[in-house]
Amino acid sequence: QAVVTQEPSLTVSPGGTVTLTCGSNTGAVTGGHSPFWFQQKPGQVPRTLIYDTSNKYSWTPARFSGSLLGGKAALTLSGAQPEDEADYYCLISYGGGRVFGGGTKLTVL
Amino acid sequence: EVQVMESGGGVVQPGGSLRLSCAVSGFTFSSYWMSWVRQAPGKGLELVAKINEDGSEKYYVDSVKGRFTISRDNAKNSLYLQMNSLRAEDTAVYYCLSERGGYWGQGTLVTVSS
Repeated sequence: QAVVTQEPSLTVSPGGTVTLTCGSNTGAVTGGHSPFWFQQKPGQVPRTLIYDTSNKYSWTPARFSGSLLGGKAALTLSGAQPEDEADYYCLISYGGGRVFGGGTKLTVL
Repeated sequence: EVQVMESGGGVVQPGGSLRLSCAVSGFTFSSYWMSWVRQAPGKGLELVAKINEDGSEKYYVDSVKGRFTISRDNAKNSLYLQMNSLRAEDTAVYYCLSERGGYWGQGTLVTVSS
């Protein structure tokens, strides 16, 4: 099965901007891979933030946005808040299957 | 209000079986692909199985093929995961997920141990 790669950890200052990426060992990630992004805070159930590259849910804070960047899926957080400190996972579609990335631990410090 | 509720987890010996259930309300269950996602203690997320709207298409991660079976009953707004020949590495919290709907259950813990 494919391998999906994410930065293991990133740090952002409060109010700052950070971009998390999601790559594939099979080549460039495109819209056809229908990337999803999830947030999971310690001890909590994951929450879906983004679907199909850039679409948000009613509960997705406006400061989060999804895109494709340099052959990868990307999640950009603009104006980081302390409550954004969490693990973030992407999910990529390969034909019938879907594979999660290993997750990025985001620290707001 | 959307509700997604898993049940059926517990402690089972290696080689044993469990059947997980997921009861859904508050959205049109029959319109969505549904998935089972698991998370081993201290680890990341893994999509175990998914099923299309009418149950005619199914996908399994390689590690559970031949052991796990996903199914659904749209009349009962319910999703199931039959898990056979369980192994220690199947120990995890299992979540029910409507991907595009964005809805997650609270999870049910499966522990495989002798």
